[in-house]
Amino acid sequence: DIQMTQSPSSLSASVGDRVTITCRASQSISSYLNWYQHKPGKAPKLLIYAASRLQSGVPSRFSGSGSGTDFTLTISSLQPEDFATYSCQQSHSTPYTFGQGTKLEIK
Amino acid sequence: QVQLQQSGPGLVKPSQTLSLTCVISGDTVSSNSAAWSWIRQSPSRGLEWLGRTFYRSKWYNDYAVSVKSRITINPDTSKNQFSLQLNSVTPEDTAVYYCARLEQLVGSYFDYWGQGTLVTVSS
Repeated sequence: DIQMTQSPSSLSASVGDRVTITCRASQSISSYLNWYQHKPGKAPKLLIYAASRLQSGVPSRFSGSGSGTDFTLTISSLQPEDFATYSCQQSHSTPYTFGQGTKLEIK
Repeated sequence: QVQLQQSGPGLVKPSQTLSLTCVISGDTVSSNSAAWSWIRQSPSRGLEWLGRTFYRSKWYNDYAVSVKSRITINPDTSKNQFSLQLNSVTPEDTAVYYCARLEQLVGSYFDYWGQGTLVTVSS
């Protein structure tokens, strides 16, 4: 199985900050990397697919980059509704696997 | 707009079978570009993909090794839905279960999710 490792596990930031979350795959996954946002009691929401493609309806302050084994999710200017948990997920091969999540908290 | 509506019991006894259903609207279970998956989330295991069913001239399934001996995902074209059966459950199967569409046009990604069902395995 491909292991996905995110860093940091948690992060404190303020409204307006620029934030970057990193995801590393245990082997090359090309650009088969997706990012999700999840909040308690709600289903995960797709933000970025294919490493850098913004899902329809997602604000442009979210962006993704990377290929191979190293990927990043960047939020350019944090808004109050962005405080949530973010997870990466590889779709290179089954079993599809997720990172352990990064919890973004208000400083 | 695709919507996935889950149903099924929230409490299952150990050794029994967990059964959930996901009704699809706005797409079809026999789509040629999507697959239909079950995913669960627990504090101990995080997000875990369990398996999928999809149609490409014929029906295919594949499952996570961790549950392969116990799981069945079945499509039902007459009701445009798919189901999850997980046999011989233990307390370790306690989790929030989600159904999700895996779109496979540009890469593969879970773009629509059901509302989630908390399933507790307890006597």
